[in-house]
Parts: sequence; C-alpha cells; structure tokens
Amino acid sequence: EAQVTQNPRYLITVTGKKLTVTCSQNMNHEYMSWYRQDPGLGLRQIYYSMNVEVTDKGDVPEGYKVSRKEKRNFPLILESPSPNQTSLYFCASKIAGSRASEQYFGPGTRLTVT
Amino acid sequence: TQLLEQSPQFLSIQEGENLTVYCNSSSVFSSLQWYRQEPGEGPVLLVTVVTGGEVKKLKRLTFQFGDARKDSSLHITAAQPGDTGLYLCAGGLGTYKYIFGTGTRLKVLA
Repeated sequence: EAQVTQNPRYLITVTGKKLTVTCSQNMNHEYMSWYRQDPGLGLRQIYYSMNVEVTDKGDVPEGYKVSRKEKRNFPLILESPSPNQTSLYFCASKIAGSRASEQYFGPGTRLTVT
Repeated sequence: TQLLEQSPQFLSIQEGENLTVYCNSSSVFSSLQWYRQEPGEGPVLLVTVVTGGEVKKLKRLTFQFGDARKDSSLHITAAQPGDTGLYLCAGGLGTYKYIFGTGTRLKVLA
C-alpha cells in the first residue's frame, strides 16, 4: 500500500530535550515536506526537500532541522524544543517537477512540549 | 508574509443545501489545491487546478480557479452528512512551496 508513515504519532517531551520525528514514504517520491498545523493558522510549511541532499526552508523553519540522506526518509529534528513548538506535524511527499502532482500526507504527529 | 484567506471558517448547514467556500490572496499561484481532512488524519487531495479560469467538477463538488490565479472557490451542491469535515485550500508558489488557508470546518446536519 502506497503510504507516508510518521513516528511517533504522539510525543510529550520537556523543553530542551532533543527529539526526532521520522517520516518515510514507499512511493519513490523525490519531493518531501514537513508542515505544522495549529488552530486558526492552518498548515504552515517548515522545510521541504526536492531530492536527496537538497533541502530548503519553508515559511516557519526556525527551531527545526532536516536531513535527506535517503530518498524514502525525511526526519524532522528539534534540537532544543520549546513550548511554542507544541503542534500537530505532518509529513508529505509527491512526485517532483510538476506543480500538479498530488501531495500525499502522513497521519500526523502530535507533539507536546512542556 | 504571503497569506491565503479562507472563508467562512465555520459552516453548519442542513442536508440538501448548497454552499460555497472561498480562498483569496494577493499572491499569484502556480496551482491551487483543495484538500479535505478528517479528525486524526492527514489532508487528502480533492483536486488541483493550474490554469486561470479553470473549472473542475468532482461529483457534487465544483472547483474554480480565478482568472488571475489569486483566488479559488469550492461549491458543494446538495450537501450530505458525509461531506462533513475540514476543507483546506493550498496555493502553490512554484513547484515546491505551498501556502495553506486556515480551513473551513463544515458540518452537514441530517
């Protein structure tokens, strides 16, 4: 089954404790992206990757890091999480090079930073 | 900061009624997507429009992209309880960057 998977689905952590949210896709998509969803703000793009070893900032990259060492994986790293990073995070993937290609979203990771 | 304003934020209607959701921006988009999101799940694509003035139909749903590619609308005819959900529009800036609207939470009462 074609899908985007995220782990963990739920995470409660404390301020300053480094964490990684993993994202993996099995559709051989070149493009992957991370979003955060907050009430009243919709989804906001954090980082995206056009292909292996190629990443760029979205609208809200501060406090986040990403890496794309393999085509199928795109982990999101929070080096020193803060309470304002409490949010619902989504990973997405699509075929690169086309503005009309469909983005497939993962099920989401709900992160709480206390 | 580029914005994509979506209205209304909330909509509660009776089964059988028609409704329209709007997305407006001052930015020109290369594409406009509409998604539907269920609780506990990621957004699922309904349609992508890429040409100014383009109209696409998906059963009872009609999507239109504005002539200037700055706005879009989603019209639902004869809404059904199964249409209940969160509807999101997203404007593409080139091929890789996207701006999402804040969403319209639709509830269709039987």
